[in-house]
Amino acid sequence: AQTVTQSQPEMSVQEAETVTLSCTYDTSESDYYLFWYKQPPSRQMILVIRQEAYKQQNATENRFSVNFQKAAKSFSLKISDSQLGDAAMYFCAYRSTSQGGSEKLVFGKGTKLTVNP
Amino acid sequence: DTAVSQTPKYLVTQMGNDKSIKCEQNLGHDTMYWYKQDSKKFLKIMFSYNNKELIINETVPNRFSPKSPDKAHLNLHINSLELGDSAVYFCASSLRGITDTQYFGPGTRLTVL
Repeated sequence: AQTVTQSQPEMSVQEAETVTLSCTYDTSESDYYLFWYKQPPSRQMILVIRQEAYKQQNATENRFSVNFQKAAKSFSLKISDSQLGDAAMYFCAYRSTSQGGSEKLVFGKGTKLTVNP
Repeated sequence: DTAVSQTPKYLVTQMGNDKSIKCEQNLGHDTMYWYKQDSKKFLKIMFSYNNKELIINETVPNRFSPKSPDKAHLNLHINSLELGDSAVYFCASSLRGITDTQYFGPGTRLTVL
């Protein structure tokens, strides 16, 4: 079974600076999807960024980018020019591409990000 | 123009009661999910339906019964509520084989007293 590990329960960053959140995963599959979701205090789960394992190019979405290292099974999230609104729990998630019941997301335990003014 | 909606957002009830949570999506997706987030914020899949057919049924007590009347709706009924059922329940949806990205509802915070 796949597992996702976020080794940093909490992180903090100064406003306007850059922070990197770590995520590693364990799988025997060669093709899969990886996601970062953000959960602010409102508790809404918001998709931040998505990466297909077959793509070598790292995904970017405005101030958010990933460092996807397939061989190392690592998928870190970099937030540039941090803003107060980035404060939230961040969850790394894995999803198989196989059909037949494997569409579930497997989540890490989350990293709580604090942004200091 | 809410994409994935859940009702109610908050639910407080006594042990032993039966309750339902409703979920609706207007994204045209064909697959819907229920996830449970416990007090430590850990998220875990409970069920998934594709075109009204159950495709994922994790190890969940049979007091929990999902029902999908059509592709746009997935409801969760819970019988004989227990203290340990207190959690936030999230509904999500996706379009299988196309985007596969799951979009979440706002969550329902269930408190069992």
